Amino acid sequence: GNSVTQMEGPVTLSEEAFLTINCTYTATGYPSLFWYVQYPGEGLQLLLKATKADDKGSNKGFEATYRKETTSFHLEKGSVQVSDSAVYFCALRRLSSGGGADGLTFGKGTHLIIQP
Amino acid sequence: DAGVTQSPTHLIKTRGQQVTLRCSPKSGHDTVSWYQQALGQGPQFIFQYYEEEERQRGNFPDRFSGHQFPNYSSELNVNALLLGDSALYLCASKRWGANYGYTFGSGTRLTVV
Repeated sequence: GNSVTQMEGPVTLSEEAFLTINCTYTATGYPSLFWYVQYPGEGLQLLLKATKADDKGSNKGFEATYRKETTSFHLEKGSVQVSDSAVYFCALRRLSSGGGADGLTFGKGTHLIIQP
Repeated sequence: DAGVTQSPTHLIKTRGQQVTLRCSPKSGHDTVSWYQQALGQGPQFIFQYYEEEERQRGNFPDRFSGHQFPNYSSELNVNALLLGDSALYLCASKRWGANYGYTFGSGTRLTVV
């Protein structure tokens, strides 16, 4: 079955530090990959996506590259801010053969804490 | 333009009871999915509804059932509640066939005592 593994948290960094959150996946076929962010008391928001191998998703300074050879989708940001403090989820979605869509499979989440 | 609306926000139920959670999708969306997010865990897919039919189901027992109405809104029902059903229940909507573009609600926090 499908699964997503991401690094355990919490991850604590100082403002302007470089961020990497590792994510690896197991899936048949060619899934689409996503990073979602969840701020306290809010629902999940799509941060970025990649739908095929070697695609790079980017948004708000965050980037992640779909690496099929290593089945990875690591999240990176060059200089984090206090406002980036949140829980980050890596997820995948595999299209079913009938043309419909499988539900999202999420990792357990990584709590990121940025200190001033 | 309203996003996904879920009600109630919080709910406390007793073990063995039944509960109904409600979701109104984002305007223009016709597909609704439900997820269970236990504390400290990622969301787990429960099921997805489109055209008032359950289209796909995750690994959840039959105690979890749902319904979609002609206006695309949806309900999640859980019977014979267990303590382990305590979680944040998230509703997500999108257009059928879209590969991404899910919009998530803020969730209903269910506590079973």
